[in-house]
Amino acid sequence: AQRVTQPEKLLSVFKGAPVELKCNYSYSGSPELFWYVQYSRQRLQLLLRHISRESIKGFTADLNKGETSFHLKKPFAQEEDSAMYYCALLNNAGNMLTFGGGTRLMVKP
Amino acid sequence: GAGVSQSPSNKVTEKGKDVELRCDPISGHTALYWYRQSLGQGLEFLIYFQGNSAPDKSGLPSDRFSAERTGGSVSTLTIQRTQQEDSAVYLCASSFKGARETQYFGPGTRLLVL
Repeated sequence: AQRVTQPEKLLSVFKGAPVELKCNYSYSGSPELFWYVQYSRQRLQLLLRHISRESIKGFTADLNKGETSFHLKKPFAQEEDSAMYYCALLNNAGNMLTFGGGTRLMVKP
Repeated sequence: GAGVSQSPSNKVTEKGKDVELRCDPISGHTALYWYRQSLGQGLEFLIYFQGNSAPDKSGLPSDRFSAERTGGSVSTLTIQRTQQEDSAVYLCASSFKGARETQYFGPGTRLLVL
C-alpha cells in the first residue's frame, strides 16, 4: 500500500524566513512525487513534480529515496506563499494519486 | 480556456436521499478523477476514468457510490442513501492523457448531509 505523510498540519513562519514543508512516503515501487498547492479561494493546482527538477515560485523539492522523503523548501518565504500544500504520490501503474493530509503554511509579515 | 467545472457548488441533502454530482472536464482531456476531501482529512482518491477503458473504482468507499462518464466527457458521481459521513467536498480533476500528467482540479462540490 502507498502512503504519504505530512507531519505538520500547520507551519507558521515570518516573511523572509526559510521554510521546509515535510513529506514522507511509503511505497514499494519507484515513486513519482508531486506538490500541489491551494491558495485561499482558489482551486488546487500543481506546484511542482520531482521528475521535472524545476523551481517554481522559488520552491524546490528533492526526492530522497534513502529517507523516503520529498520535502518542499524555499529559502525566503513571502506572504503570498500562504496556502495549503499537499504532497502526492503516483503509483507505478499511473492510475492512482495518493495525497498527504496537507500542511497549511502561514507566512506572517 | 475553460477549466474543469463542477455542479452544484453546494448541496444540502437529508440522510437517506440520493445525490448526483456533475463534472465537466477540460475539453480534450481523456483522464478524469474524483476525490473526496472530508473535514480535517486529506484528499482521498475515489475513481479514475481513462478514455474508453474500464474505470478504476478501487477508491470508492462503499457500493452506495458509483460514477459514470458519458461519451468520454462529462462525469456524474452518484451517492445513494446518503449518510452523514458522506459530508465532504467532492473534487473532480482531469488531465490530458493520464495520471502522470498535470491534473487540473475543479472548484469542488460541498456536500452536507443532515
